[in-house]
Amino acid sequence: SQQGEEDPQALSIQEGENATMNCSYKTSINNLQWYRQNSGRGLVHLILIRSNEREKHSGRLRVTLDTSKKSSSLLITASRAADTASYFCATGSNTGKLIFGQGTTLQVKP
Amino acid sequence: DTEVTQTPKHLVMGMTNKKSLKCEQHMGHRAMYWYKQKAKKPPELMFVYSYEKLSINESVPSRFSPECPNSSLLNLHLHALQPEDSALYLCASSQGVANYGYTFGSGTRLTVV
Repeated sequence: SQQGEEDPQALSIQEGENATMNCSYKTSINNLQWYRQNSGRGLVHLILIRSNEREKHSGRLRVTLDTSKKSSSLLITASRAADTASYFCATGSNTGKLIFGQGTTLQVKP
Repeated sequence: DTEVTQTPKHLVMGMTNKKSLKCEQHMGHRAMYWYKQKAKKPPELMFVYSYEKLSINESVPSRFSPECPNSSLLNLHLHALQPEDSALYLCASSQGVANYGYTFGSGTRLTVV
């Protein structure tokens, strides 16, 4: 089962620009998480935002959560070629179910 | 040790074979997970183990059989698979089931012939 829809499906930017990805979901959540995946291998956890939080920062990452609109956004500032990857949002429950959205493919051109 | 280790990295098996995927973590995490990922698709949850007990089975066919021998190990036993079961199988762990990020292994790429 899938919970989230991500927008855009693909994004191509120049190095140094900011990248914004959006995620919408359907049901109530405990938390929302963002992951990065390179070349179809393991996923790397980027950030977790709880349902009672509105904004969170980690280095060049900024995540917002609007539970009234059931949406979240991930902003990567000053992007680098190494940020090229697929990015997934995932909704978390208190049972351990973590359900992933469709993902956004980000290409950062040097 | 901050890793989840999965073996083997690649596996080719026939439809009549029996094989097992292994997953190991030494971070003291009490929840472990199996996900299946097809090409260009998001990971799909298969099983959740919490404190070594199976807590969620996402209606996975019985040809996939999970096992958690201890708090550090998670196995996925495979039997009589179909070609459509070919995928990347990902193991993950977390400190608990609620409000924790997951640490993923690099996966086993399974091909069923």
